[in-house]
Amino acid sequence: QVQLRESGPGLLKPSQTLSVTCSVSGGSISSGSYYWTWIRQPAGKALEWIGRIYTNGRTNYNPSFKSRVTISLDASKNQISLELTSVTAADTAVYHCARDFPGPESLDYWGRGTQVIVSS
Amino acid sequence: DIQMTQSPSSLYASVGDRVTITCRASQSISTYLNWYQQKPGRAPNLLIYTASNLQSGVASRFSGSGSGTYFTLSISSLQPEDFATYFCQQSYITPRTFGQGTKVEIK
Repeated sequence: QVQLRESGPGLLKPSQTLSVTCSVSGGSISSGSYYWTWIRQPAGKALEWIGRIYTNGRTNYNPSFKSRVTISLDASKNQISLELTSVTAADTAVYHCARDFPGPESLDYWGRGTQVIVSS
Repeated sequence: DIQMTQSPSSLYASVGDRVTITCRASQSISTYLNWYQQKPGRAPNLLIYTASNLQSGVASRFSGSGSGTYFTLSISSLQPEDFATYFCQQSYITPRTFGQGTKVEIK
């Protein structure tokens, strides 16, 4: 059974860089044909797709994040990372990682998320 | 971006009721529509993929239908563990987009 667990800083100040990590167990992130995806959920709002990384390192990002976002993977640690620069209060959200299964193009495994608050 | 609109945003129902939630896309997405369930503090759970396919391990009382721009999720006989928030997601193009969610509450 694949399990995903996110970890992050909890609290950030405006203009800082958000770094969140997703640790995967029950399978290797570099095997199979999967995308590893980051999604966030501001309180009371809809889920927002941030971007994804394929097992070969190819990435797709949501244009709404412009050049602020970087997703990477570390096969040796079996982790996926998200970096978001120049954060503001609008980046306050629960950040989830998920596995995207091509073909059905569905998110079949999710982590429960990590809360990030941006406040001065 | 494709806009996904769910209705209702919340509903009250009783155990045993049949419940239907709708999701509309701002343009045709064929059958690239998924449904998820989320409970507070828990990871979202995939219920239905490509509009009508039941994810492995999901109870058969859940079903999905639709194509193009109009989709539905139905629960044939609501069980106590089904009180949760449900949301749809299009996987037709990136960026993927989600509905705002439907909260199913106990009447």
